[in-house]
Amino acid sequence: KAGVTQTPRYLIKTRGQQVTLSCSPISGHRSVSWYQQTPGQGLQFLFEYFSETQRNKGNFPGRFSGRQFSNSRSEMNVSTLELGDSALYLCASSLEGEIGFNEQFFGPGTRLTVL
Amino acid sequence: SQQGEEDPQALSIQEGENATMNCSYKTSINNLQWYRQNSGRGLVHLILIRSNEREKHSGRLRVTLDTSKKSSSLLITASRAADTASYFCATGILTGGGNKLTFGTGTQLKVEL
Repeated sequence: KAGVTQTPRYLIKTRGQQVTLSCSPISGHRSVSWYQQTPGQGLQFLFEYFSETQRNKGNFPGRFSGRQFSNSRSEMNVSTLELGDSALYLCASSLEGEIGFNEQFFGPGTRLTVL
Repeated sequence: SQQGEEDPQALSIQEGENATMNCSYKTSINNLQWYRQNSGRGLVHLILIRSNEREKHSGRLRVTLDTSKKSSSLLITASRAADTASYFCATGILTGGGNKLTFGTGTQLKVEL
């Protein structure tokens, strides 16, 4: 099976712009989670989607949003970009078997640089 | 905010030696997972231990969990240069129907030839 794919891999934007990142989970996985990784804050949970519904949310401002499509593919959007949004954005998918105990499979990430 | 604090922040050992990393957390959890990350790339799942388990093995990996002390350790035996990476613990809490993971600060492991 193909792994989790994320597009684009690298992105450069300027302050005030908005950006959309895409994630395709492993076939059959219905849960998709997003994380932001920065040197200062480490890995922080953004949100999780399952069957097109946001199931959990981290402590990020409303500028960060996401959605999931019927084929489980997910997008996250950041509006009004700030310099501090520069980060590696990671997407992870998991197979819902025994609820709550499944490992997450991570994509390679999208490196976002805000100038 | 981060749930887990890992110790040490960085570890340098010789190939063949064992590496031990520790993770402490603050609140009750349902499970704890360890992940590896190479050079700012995606994370790779290593092992999951549930809150009612005390020890788990997978190949050269051994994980322990002490819920009374709110701590976990990851032991990599007979380390190899390819084990050089950052290692993260992630505490899992069942909420909203899912397993919400909170990652620790990570340990940077360097295995030298």
